[in-house]
Amino acid sequence: EVQLVESGGGLVQPGGSLRLSCAASGITFSRYWMHWVRQAPGKGLVWVSHINSDGSNSNYADSVKGRFTISRDNAKNTLYLQMNSLGAEDTALYYCARARIFLAAAGTGYYFDYWGQGTLVTVSS
Amino acid sequence: DIQMTQSPSSLSASVGDRVTITCRASQSISNYLNWYQQKPGKAPKLLIYAASSLQSGVPSRFSGSGSGTDFTLTISSLQPEDFATYYCQQSYRTPQTFGPGTKVDIK
Repeated sequence: EVQLVESGGGLVQPGGSLRLSCAASGITFSRYWMHWVRQAPGKGLVWVSHINSDGSNSNYADSVKGRFTISRDNAKNTLYLQMNSLGAEDTALYYCARARIFLAAAGTGYYFDYWGQGTLVTVSS
Repeated sequence: DIQMTQSPSSLSASVGDRVTITCRASQSISNYLNWYQQKPGKAPKLLIYAASSLQSGVPSRFSGSGSGTDFTLTISSLQPEDFATYYCQQSYRTPQTFGPGTKVDIK
């Protein structure tokens, strides 16, 4: 059974830092690109970041670029998100998700077939 | 960034109804379009990928269609467990973007 389990969320003051983790089991973790997606309370889904299978390439939403760093440890089957300079706008439930590729007319696309249960980050003084 | 819109933003329907949700992209995204269902307090669940491919284990009453900029998710006969919020998502360009969601509730 595939499981993604996030941890590391909590209450942090503005300007503070947190590191989120996502522990994977039931999959060959090192084969897959992994993503972080967040959801502010009562709001929609927003993509945050992704990392390729070997950790050599990553990308970020403009809203977190320069403040967040995604990484992974394939030996530990774990994905991370280091979040610095946190602000109230970062308050959200953070999900990790596995990406699967599909063949599209113009190349390859992807979708998220497994999601964790989320870890809540609250930025408040 | 590619903007995704959905209509309606919410709808009320009865068990057994046929429900159609529309998703529109601000530019052509070929078939790089996925649909997710989210229930309160739960993670999103993949329903449809590549615009029209049904994810394994998802009931056949769910179907997707479209290409380019206009897409639809159809539930052929709404069941009690289908009351939820539905999101479309494009993976044509980074940043991959989600639609704002369509909430389906009980009439």
